[in-house]
Parts: sequence; structure tokens; C-alpha cells
Amino acid sequence: DGGITQSPKYLFRKEGQNVTLSCEQNLNHDAMYWYRQDPGQGLRLIYYSQIVNDFQKGDIAEGYSVSREKKESFPLTVTSAQKNPTAFYLCASTRGPYNEQFFGPGTRLTVL
Amino acid sequence: GQQVMQIPQYQHVQEGEDFTTYCNSSTTLSNIQWYKQRPGGHPVFLIQLVKSGEVKKQKRLTFQFGEAKKNSSLHITATQTTDVGTYFCAGCGNFGNEKLTFGTGTRLTIIP
Repeated sequence: DGGITQSPKYLFRKEGQNVTLSCEQNLNHDAMYWYRQDPGQGLRLIYYSQIVNDFQKGDIAEGYSVSREKKESFPLTVTSAQKNPTAFYLCASTRGPYNEQFFGPGTRLTVL
Repeated sequence: GQQVMQIPQYQHVQEGEDFTTYCNSSTTLSNIQWYKQRPGGHPVFLIQLVKSGEVKKQKRLTFQFGEAKKNSSLHITATQTTDVGTYFCAGCGNFGNEKLTFGTGTRLTIIP
């Protein structure tokens, strides 16, 4: 069954701690994306990767880091430098920039 | 940078009434995509429009892409409770700027 998985679904962390969100896809897609969604707002792009070992900053990259060592995986680290990390994080993948994006179920991060 | 505005932000309709959401881009788009996000869920791709003036239908949903490829609309005829959710447009720039920029979304609630 092809798709995108994100884990965990809910995550709680103390302020000042780094946390890594997992995103895995078995759709054989080249491009992967991380979005942040806040209540009542749209999706804002954090980072994206169009190919393995390469990634670019999106519109709100400050306080986040990513890696793309494997085609299937695109983990996102929320660092302590991110001033307001509590949000819903969505990972997506696509065959190419002009194709539909497939989203994972999301991770809801709460920083206490 | 590219901005995509969407109106209205919220829409409450009686079941059976029609619903329309509008999307406007600050720049010309290569294509526009529409997604639906159910409450508590993740965005799911609905459709992509590519050609100037294009109109596509999916049962009760009608999607339009403006002649100048800077605006789009989604119209739902005779809404049903299953239409509840947030509808996002997402615009893709032209060559060299292929990031997908999401609109802020229109949250549709249905009054039974």
C-alpha cells in the first residue's frame, strides 16, 4: 500500500529541546516537502527537497533543519531556535513540481 | 514573492445551498491545484487546472482557471454535509519558480 507516513501523530516537548519529526514515503517520488499549519491559516513551506542530498529553504525555514540522505525519507528537526514551534506539521511528496502533492497524516507538536 | 489570497476565510451555508471560494495570485501561474482538508485531517488533492480559461467539473464541484492565469474559483452546487472542510487553492509558478504556494483556505461549515 503506497503512501506517506509521519510519526508520531502527537508530540509533546519541553521548551528548549530539539525534536525530530519523521516522514517516510514509498511512492518513489523525487520531491518532498515540509509545511507548517497554524489554526485558521494556510500551509507555509518550511523546506523542500527535489532530489536526494539536496534541499532548499522555504518561506519559514528559520529554526528548522532537514536532511535527505535517502529518497524515501525527509526528517525535519525543530530546533530550540524556533520561537513558536507549536503547530501542525505536514509532510508531502510529489513526482515533480507540476504534479499533485500527496500528504502524510501530519504530526501535531505541542511545546510546553 | 508569490502570494496567493483566498476569500472568503469562512463560509456557513444551509445544506442544499451553493458555495463558492475564490483564489487570486499576485503573479501569473503555470497551474493551480485545489485541495480539501477535512477537520482533523490532512489536505487531499482534488484537481489541477493548467490552461487559460479552463473549466473542469467533478460531480457537484466546478473549478475554473482565469484567462490571465492569476485567479481561480471552486463552486459547489447543492452542498451536502460531506462537503464540510477547508478548501485550499495552491498556485505553482512558472519555470524557475516551481514552488507551490498555498492560499489561506476557505473553511466551509454546513448547517443541516
